[in-house]
Order: sequence, then structure tokens, then C-alpha cells
Amino acid sequence: NAGVTQTPKFQVLKTGQSMTLQCAQDMNHEYMSWYRQDPGMGLRLIHYSVGAGITDQGEVPNGYNVSRSTTEDFPLRLLSAAPSQTSVYFCASSYGLAGTDTQYFGPGTRLTVL
Amino acid sequence: AQTVTQSQPEMSVQEAETVTLSCTYDTSENNYYLFWYKQPPSRQMILVIRQEAYKQQNATENRFSVNFQKAAKSFSLKISDSQLGDTAMYFCAYVTSGTYKYIFGTGTRLKVLA
Repeated sequence: NAGVTQTPKFQVLKTGQSMTLQCAQDMNHEYMSWYRQDPGMGLRLIHYSVGAGITDQGEVPNGYNVSRSTTEDFPLRLLSAAPSQTSVYFCASSYGLAGTDTQYFGPGTRLTVL
Repeated sequence: AQTVTQSQPEMSVQEAETVTLSCTYDTSENNYYLFWYKQPPSRQMILVIRQEAYKQQNATENRFSVNFQKAAKSFSLKISDSQLGDTAMYFCAYVTSGTYKYIFGTGTRLKVLA
């Protein structure tokens, strides 16, 4: 198993540009989520999904869109990038029940918005 | 709303010694899970240990153990026989049972000294 994969590893955008951060898992996990990590802030939940076709907002959803058309993929879209979105982004997945099932993290994407 | 607080931004410990990382949380829920995650310089998030709130017994995983004080809402991590490979950021995290909104603390940077 490849586990949780994220592409790209690094990305530089200009303000106003759009892009999609890719996340995929091959473990047949129902639950997937996106976090951002900023210095001194820990990880903050952006959006999550409990299965194909089902998404919900986390703590900091503004400026980000998600969709879950398949179990394997959970892309994160930035429609109009802003410098405040400069961060490291992590995707995570787990088989199901919150807490009881281990959450596996991807390697992260470092995004810089100029 | 639930919160997780890690009051020690940085700590250091000599190799082979024992160190304790602190975490406090606030919740009005009775059923929840608590976690410690490790993030080494590689940036990969790794689950260290998990505690179920309804279990009074403290969780242990090899050299890692927790002191879970439910009434005090305290969840500290003890690392015994510290090794150089333990050098990392450590995050405390919380999730209410039945939900998927994980909440992370701001992290403690641990350096193990040779």
C-alpha cells in the first residue's frame, strides 16, 4: 500500500491564482480530511469527508472547496489564493469511527502564496 | 467549544532520561478520545498513543505512557529512556466520540541531547 499520498510536495502561487491540492489513499478508508499547519498554531481542520459524496466544514473552511467523488480521492481547491493561505497542508484518512481508528497522514504540501 | 492547550513550546532532555510533556483540554463531553502525535523533521505525522476517555487505565506503548486525569482534564505524555530519534514536535489532540472534528494543540518541540 502507498498509504496517503499528496501532490505536489511544494507549490508557489501568485495572489489570485487557483490550484488543486491532490490527496489519495489506497486503504479503502471512508474518512478523509484536510488540515493546515501554521507556525505556533498546530493543525487546524479545513474540511472533512465521511464517505463518497459527503463533505463537511472544519474549523477554517473559508477560501477552500472540496468534493469527494470517489472513496480514494479528496482534492482541496483554492479558487483565489491569498497570502494568508501560505501554509503546510496535510491530508489524512482513517477507516471509520473517529477516535477508534488510526488516522494516517500524508507527507504534506508546502504552499507559498506571494 | 473544545480546546487543547500545550503550555510548553520547547523542551529538551538528555539521552536515556525521562521527560514529560503536558497537555490540558477543555470539553463538556463525556465520551472522547485523546492522542499524542509525533512530527519529526521529515514532517510526517505519526500516532504515538491513544487514550479513550471512558477507560481509567492509562495507555502505554513501549517507552511512551500517558497520565490521564479526566477530572482535571489533563493528558500528559511520558517518554522513558529518551532516544535521539524522539527529537520531534509532539502534538496533543482531541476528538469527541461520534464526530470527526479533531482538535490539535500548538505542539511542544522536544530535543533529545546526546
